[in-house]
Amino acid sequence: DIQMTQSPSLLSASVGDRVTLSCKASQNIYKYLNWYQQKLGEAPKLLIYYTNSLQTGIPSRFSGSGSGTDYTLTISSLQPEDVATYFCQQYNSWWTFGGGTKLELK
Amino acid sequence: EVQLVESGGGLVQPGRSMKLSCAASGFTFSNYGMAWVRQAPKKGLEWVAYISYDGGSTYYRDPVKGRFTISRDNAKSTLYLQMDSLRSEDTATYYCTTEAGDYWGQGVMVTVSS
Repeated sequence: DIQMTQSPSLLSASVGDRVTLSCKASQNIYKYLNWYQQKLGEAPKLLIYYTNSLQTGIPSRFSGSGSGTDYTLTISSLQPEDVATYFCQQYNSWWTFGGGTKLELK
Repeated sequence: EVQLVESGGGLVQPGRSMKLSCAASGFTFSNYGMAWVRQAPKKGLEWVAYISYDGGSTYYRDPVKGRFTISRDNAKSTLYLQMDSLRSEDTATYYCTTEAGDYWGQGVMVTVSS
């Protein structure tokens, strides 16, 4: 099974900060990577698919990059409504999710 | 508007069965592969089962193989998850989702406890 490791597990940042979340796969996943946002008590919401494609309706401050085993989600200017837990997911070989990064306001 | 609405959760004793349903609307259900994903309390997400658009192919993660059965009724635009021989470690919120992960239901809680 492909393992997905996210870092950090907890991130504190201020409104307006540029925020970077990392996700590392245990083997090459050929960019088959999604990013989700999950707010407390809600279902996950797809933000980015295939590493860097922005899902319809998602603000352009969210962007994704990466290749091979290393991937990144960037929020260019953190907004209060971005407080949530973020999960990466590989779909190169079935599905595996990372453990999540909880993003809070400083 | 796309909607996925799960139902059928609740409290069940270990070893017993439970069947979840997911009613889809707002898109052509029969064109999409579907999956069940679960999330144990305060934990991460875990894929459980997948079914192809026509129901011809099904796949399960190892811990649920032989105990869970995913199925669908395209005429009713409904996805199902039959869960047998339930264990305490199956306690979670269960979400139905499209294969691409672009639509999710609100989730239904399943608690396995005596």
